Amino acid sequence: DAGVIQSPRHEVTEMGQEVTLRCKPISGHDYLFWYRQTMMRGLELLIYFNNNVPIDDSGMPEDRFSAKMPNASFSTLKIQPSEPRDSAVYFCATSRWSGGSLLPYNEQFFGPGTRLTVL
Amino acid sequence: AQSVTQPDIHITVSEGASLELRCNYSYGATPYLFWYVQSPGQGLQLLLKYFSGDTLVQGIKGFEAEFKRSQSSFNLRKPSVHWSDAAEYFCAVGAANFGNEKLTFGTGTRLTIIP
Repeated sequence: DAGVIQSPRHEVTEMGQEVTLRCKPISGHDYLFWYRQTMMRGLELLIYFNNNVPIDDSGMPEDRFSAKMPNASFSTLKIQPSEPRDSAVYFCATSRWSGGSLLPYNEQFFGPGTRLTVL
Repeated sequence: AQSVTQPDIHITVSEGASLELRCNYSYGATPYLFWYVQSPGQGLQLLLKYFSGDTLVQGIKGFEAEFKRSQSSFNLRKPSVHWSDAAEYFCAVGAANFGNEKLTFGTGTRLTIIP
């Protein structure tokens, strides 16, 4: 299995530009998470999906951020317009619900991340 | 809401020495607890997890962690570290709500190994 795939790996853009980050989950995984990692704030959950439906977007910092999951194989995180304070590493992670298990947590598999720099 | 505290920002250990990384959590019920490791330039990888039962859990790469409810702690240990263990380690907690897959991560502890 190729694991979680994120693109691009690095993105440098200028303030005000639109940025789109992409994630391809592991096949068969029905949960998808977007995280942001910075030195100041650590690892923050932005939003997560279950079966392509957004479940919790309370971590999305503001209206400039939006995320979509049009199908089980693809998700995007968009920032429009971007600002220098959005500079961070953005991770996508996915997990698979075990079905009959009473335990809600299954291992989250992380992608390599996208390092975003907004000038 | 749940929270996690990792009091040590940076720890330096000699190769072959033992290791203990501290994690304290805050949650009103029995938490679900995790340790993840992040190597430079990589995503996070699960080391081990605790849901219930035996309070000493074994993970990958020779790591173990012990859940102590009385101390609200879930410390990570390894008896003898290797240079390849140099990385950042994150403790995370989840709420025991069915269908809620949200995890809250600590700020991480950076581990440096010296020869």
